[in-house]
Amino acid sequence: DTGVSQDPRHKITKRGQNVTFRCDPISEHNRLYWYRQTLGQGPEFLTYFQNEAQLEKSRLLSDRFSAERPKGSFSTLEIQRTEQGDSAMYLCASSPTLTGRTDTQYFGPGTRLTVL
Amino acid sequence: AQKITQTQPGMFVQEKEAVTLDCTYDTSDPSYGLFWYKQPSSGEMIFLIYQGSYDQQNATEGRYSLNFQKARKSANLVISASQLGDSAMYFCAMREGLGNQFYFGTGTSLTVIP
Repeated sequence: DTGVSQDPRHKITKRGQNVTFRCDPISEHNRLYWYRQTLGQGPEFLTYFQNEAQLEKSRLLSDRFSAERPKGSFSTLEIQRTEQGDSAMYLCASSPTLTGRTDTQYFGPGTRLTVL
Repeated sequence: AQKITQTQPGMFVQEKEAVTLDCTYDTSDPSYGLFWYKQPSSGEMIFLIYQGSYDQQNATEGRYSLNFQKARKSANLVISASQLGDSAMYFCAMREGLGNQFYFGTGTSLTVIP
């Protein structure tokens, strides 16, 4: 059983550019989460999907951020008009709904974004 | 108010000794789950242990145990027989009720000394 994968692992961009990250959850995991983690802090919740439905979004998720999970499998997180304050590690996690440890989230390796 | 508080920014422990990492939480929901994650320098969050609010016994997973004191709202992680590979950041987290949002603390950096 492969784990959660994220692509790319690192992204350097200039301020004002758009970036898109991809997350592939563990197969058959219905739930998918995006987090942002800045240096010295714990992960901060951004958004949650159950299958293809985005059911919850944090106030942290400004209008420049959008996330999709079109077929209930992989997900993308797009940041438009990036700002230096967007520099962070973006973590994706998934968890099962019907079987296994339904309360536990399994994290991917993250995408480290640097905005110059 | 912070949902999860970890008051130890850094901890040191001698190899083979036990260490306790502190975590207190704040919720008014009677149903909640508490989690501990390990984050090595590589960045990936690794699930360690889970405790449900209604669980009667403290959770254990190998060398990890969770000292759950409900009245004090604390969920300390105990690592027994520390190994050099335990050196990492450790995060306590909570999920309230049926909510989908997980709240994380600021973490504790553990260094195991040979």
